Amino acid sequence: GAVVSQHPSWVICKSGTSVKIECRSLDFQATTMFWYRQFPKQSLMLMATSNEGSKATYEQGVEKDKFLINHASLTLSTLTVTSAHPEDSSFYICSAPILPGQPQHFGDGTRLSIL
Amino acid sequence: LAKTTQPISMDSYEGQEVNITCSHNNIATNDYITWYQQFPSQGPRFIIQGYKTKVTNEVASLFIPADRKSSTLSLPRVSLSDTAVYYCLVALHHGSGNTGKLIFGQGTTLQVKP
Repeated sequence: GAVVSQHPSWVICKSGTSVKIECRSLDFQATTMFWYRQFPKQSLMLMATSNEGSKATYEQGVEKDKFLINHASLTLSTLTVTSAHPEDSSFYICSAPILPGQPQHFGDGTRLSIL
Repeated sequence: LAKTTQPISMDSYEGQEVNITCSHNNIATNDYITWYQQFPSQGPRFIIQGYKTKVTNEVASLFIPADRKSSTLSLPRVSLSDTAVYYCLVALHHGSGNTGKLIFGQGTTLQVKP
């Protein structure tokens, strides 16, 4: 069964809206989670590392004020796309390792469509 | 993080064995090799991980030569449902002091035909 859960799986909203995506670790605690973005026919691009109780670490070129990450508990990280525009439409995926040194498990992704 | 190179696409037929090779010339001593599978509109799914020689699980085998500069994912007797994108990644284990972040390459799109 799934060990990392994302919600919602699909969201459509108007331009200018802020959208929050949740990533939950099921039955394990995740001090670190990762957020990726994937455009059609392309590979996953790492956006940021979410750290429980501290600030997220963003990859080069990712606007931290645009993509707000909060990791307030050991089982939940949220990604908020602020003032979303059509170019932000993408497939957003999170991941987390169950234990240090173990392979990461990925959520099933969130399809974001901005009209 | 070591860069990986894989064929962009491969075709196969049901029942055949498929081998996908990945090059990672700059792999570091503490790096592990991990393969993921991704279906459309889903997150990647872990297939197999190894450090050296051969690793086998219920779905695949991973062959790693002594120099570790490449690795081969072997899928025995593929079916139509194995049509997916396969990613090879090289990274430090999370517990080795690295943050555990993964950098994905382009992956290999495997098309299994009837």
